[in-house]
Formats: sequence, structure tokens, C-alpha cells
Amino acid sequence: ILNVEQSPQSLHVQEGDSTNFTCSFPSSNFYALHWYRWETAKSPEALFVMTLNGDEKKKGRISATLNTKEGYSYLYIKGSQPEDSATYLCAFSAGRRALTFGSGTRLQVQP
Amino acid sequence: EAQVTQNPRYLITVTGKKLTVTCSQNMNHEYMSWYRQDPGLGLRQIYYSMNVEVTDKGDVPEGYKVSRKEKRNFPLILESPSPNQTSLYFCASSLREPDNEQFFGPGTRLTVL
Repeated sequence: ILNVEQSPQSLHVQEGDSTNFTCSFPSSNFYALHWYRWETAKSPEALFVMTLNGDEKKKGRISATLNTKEGYSYLYIKGSQPEDSATYLCAFSAGRRALTFGSGTRLQVQP
Repeated sequence: EAQVTQNPRYLITVTGKKLTVTCSQNMNHEYMSWYRQDPGLGLRQIYYSMNVEVTDKGDVPEGYKVSRKEKRNFPLILESPSPNQTSLYFCASSLREPDNEQFFGPGTRLTVL
């Protein structure tokens, strides 16, 4: 079983703060790295899928970077809002088949 | 509307009573997958399917079976459920291999007494 680690496990920030999370994954046999946003009582929703070393993706105030050589990805949220409160999951694919998820970073944004 | 559906959404059953959780997608996706979510453990992949009649084990396949006879359907079968299979289950699909975003179903909460 591949090891995908996310840090921190949880984070409390104030509205307007910028924040970032880390996803660490094995650097060998990389195929793809996913980020998902998961709100309570809902299903996970895709934010980004990245496949190339150095990839940077952005969606509104959320962006992500990828370093496949050292095995990490960062997710950034600029100017956090209460509606950003959710668990953020990363998932790693080695080869072209299975997907392994990290245990997530739970973000709470206080108004 | 493009979606992944699962049924039932909630199920309480007893040890040893065979059950099937259905999953269907209307997006003509090739890749489908089942996950279970347990507190503190995140999503763990049970089985996945690259296309019709092509299935493979994920990280936690023990106690589960799947089949992929049609492209749109990917049922999860528990032949003899046990209490340690009490969990929240998600079905997901993506266009092709896992370099495409996964679309998740609404989840099935299963309790095995």
C-alpha cells in the first residue's frame, strides 16, 4: 500500500487569512496527483488533477503546485472564506491504475 | 444531468446476509472505482475497473466482490458482511485512467450488526 501523507491534519484560520497544505507521496513511478474538496454530508469534488512536474493550477482563490521529483504538492487558499471550510484530500496514482488517497486536511475558517 | 448514483443510500443489515450496493454513471466513463471511508483513515480504494470486464483490486479488497458487465454499472457485492465492513462507501467514475478527475456518487452508509 502506497503512503500518501497530508499535513496538517486540521487547521483553524480567520476569514481573510491565506493558508496552505502539503501532500507528500512516493516520488517513483508517478502518474497523477489529484486534489479534492469534501464538505460535510456531501461527496468529494475535484479541484485539480496534475500530471507533470512543475504543474501549477489555479481555480479562483485556490491554487496548487506539483513537485514529482521530491514527491510533494502544495494547495494554497488565498483570503480564506467561511465557505472554504471543508476537508481537502489529495490522491496519488502510481502507474495507470489505482488511486491512493491521503487522510485529508480539515480546514475551518472562522468569520 | 451528469451524475453517479448509488443505491441504497443507507443500509442496516446483519452479519452474513449477502448484499449488493449498486453504482451507475451516465457519463460514458471507462474508469469506475469503489472506496470506503472510515474515521481517521481517509478514502481507501476497494476495487476499480478500467473498462467492461476489466476489474482489479485496490488497497482493501478483502470481503468484497465487484463486476463490470456494462460500462455504466459497477455493483459492489458483500457476500457475507461482517461488522468491520460498517463504513461509508463511495462509488466514483472518471473518463479514462486516473489522470482524469473522479466524479463521486452520494455515498452509501452501511451498518453491519
